[in-house]
Amino acid sequence: SQTIHQWPATLVQPVGSPLSLECTVEGTSNPNLYWYRQAAGRGLQLLFYSVGIGQISSEVPQNLSASRPQDRQFILSSKKLLLSDSGFYLCAWSREGPPTNEKLFFGSGTQLSVL
Amino acid sequence: QKEVEQNSGPLSVPEGAIASLNCTYSDRGSQSFFWYRQYSGKSPELIMFIYSNGDKEDGRFTAQLNKASQYVSLLIRDSQPSDSATYLCAAEGGKLIFGQGTELSVKP
Repeated sequence: SQTIHQWPATLVQPVGSPLSLECTVEGTSNPNLYWYRQAAGRGLQLLFYSVGIGQISSEVPQNLSASRPQDRQFILSSKKLLLSDSGFYLCAWSREGPPTNEKLFFGSGTQLSVL
Repeated sequence: QKEVEQNSGPLSVPEGAIASLNCTYSDRGSQSFFWYRQYSGKSPELIMFIYSNGDKEDGRFTAQLNKASQYVSLLIRDSQPSDSATYLCAAEGGKLIFGQGTELSVKP
């Protein structure tokens, strides 16, 4: 069966510090991978998606970036965090990607607090 | 801009009652619709999906889709306290567009 791992679970970082969140998927090959952010009391905002190694699509201009160095690894990064980067970050995968998004399966999430 | 709207709630129902969660979407081209359940501090979990007009039942859950009215709903029969969570509606419109979620509270 397929599993998705995301870490760390919680992170407290000062403004201006770098960020690296990692996500890996097991039990499937060539998954479509996604990074979402959820602000408190808000819906899910798609940040990045990837349909293959090295292929990254950005949905929202921001100081975050994503990379996919391996088929089942997706990394979210920032060189300098802002207060507004605080939120619940979720990695997800699906078997079929845009334009038709079939069932998303989410990792356990990272609660990021930028202070 | 493509949008999915949900009442934020909280929606409170007594145990054993039917909970009705509603969602509207703006993109008439959307073909696929999903309901995710999210417990506090946890990640969303897919519980239902529907592609065709009408009803789709899975255990205590029924998803309803009316494309003419651009309306999706989720009914939870025999609601249990363990159903207390935020329910996210999502519509496929080139990418998945999520609503802000409806908080459901089932009181024993």
